[in-house]
Amino acid sequence: GQNIDQPTEMTATEGAIVQINCTYQTSGFNGLFWYQQHAGEAPTFLSYNVLDGLEEKGRFSSFLSRSKGYSYLLLKELQMKDSASYLCAVRDWAGTASKLTFGTGTRLQVTL
Amino acid sequence: EADIYQTPRYLVIGTGKKITLECSQTMGHDKMYWYQQDPGMELHLIHYSYGVNSTEKGDLSSESTVSRIRTEHFPLTLESARPSHTSQYLCASSDVSSPDFFGPGTRLTVL
Repeated sequence: GQNIDQPTEMTATEGAIVQINCTYQTSGFNGLFWYQQHAGEAPTFLSYNVLDGLEEKGRFSSFLSRSKGYSYLLLKELQMKDSASYLCAVRDWAGTASKLTFGTGTRLQVTL
Repeated sequence: EADIYQTPRYLVIGTGKKITLECSQTMGHDKMYWYQQDPGMELHLIHYSYGVNSTEKGDLSSESTVSRIRTEHFPLTLESARPSHTSQYLCASSDVSSPDFFGPGTRLTVL
């Protein structure tokens, strides 16, 4: 199984940059995913890292270090609509199967 | 358009009733999942399937059951609903190289 840790809450100002960290422990790593979830809605996929380094996708970037069991999600030019929970999830192999385990999520509040 | 669908979106039902939550996907994914999530809480995997006639229980124990007779369809059934089953149920699907894509969810309330 995995242990996935991420901060419970963060607050940032509109237009700023925020970094949400995630640390994990797993026995058969097969990828790390970031999801955005607005209250009462389903999670939507943001980014995926399987190799070390930075993946950039518009205002969102995600970084992975497998040796450190560490990832972060970077949100630039924050907008009010970015207020949501951000879920870190790790996929690992268990025999021939693989499934995601989610962290508890980081609730981000964007203020004026 | 390839997508994942869940019905009903909202369900309010009395204790003891049998219910089936529907999930269908048109993305051709082999893997499908059911998650349960209470408001403001984390997602918990309750069932998953890696293909037709394959079903497994997830990390969180659940009194629900699932079936996978067709690749695109993964219904979840509660034989006798109880207030403790009140929650949001999220269906997802994936293949080897993709993330899990989620349906819109079913918000279940058992009175």
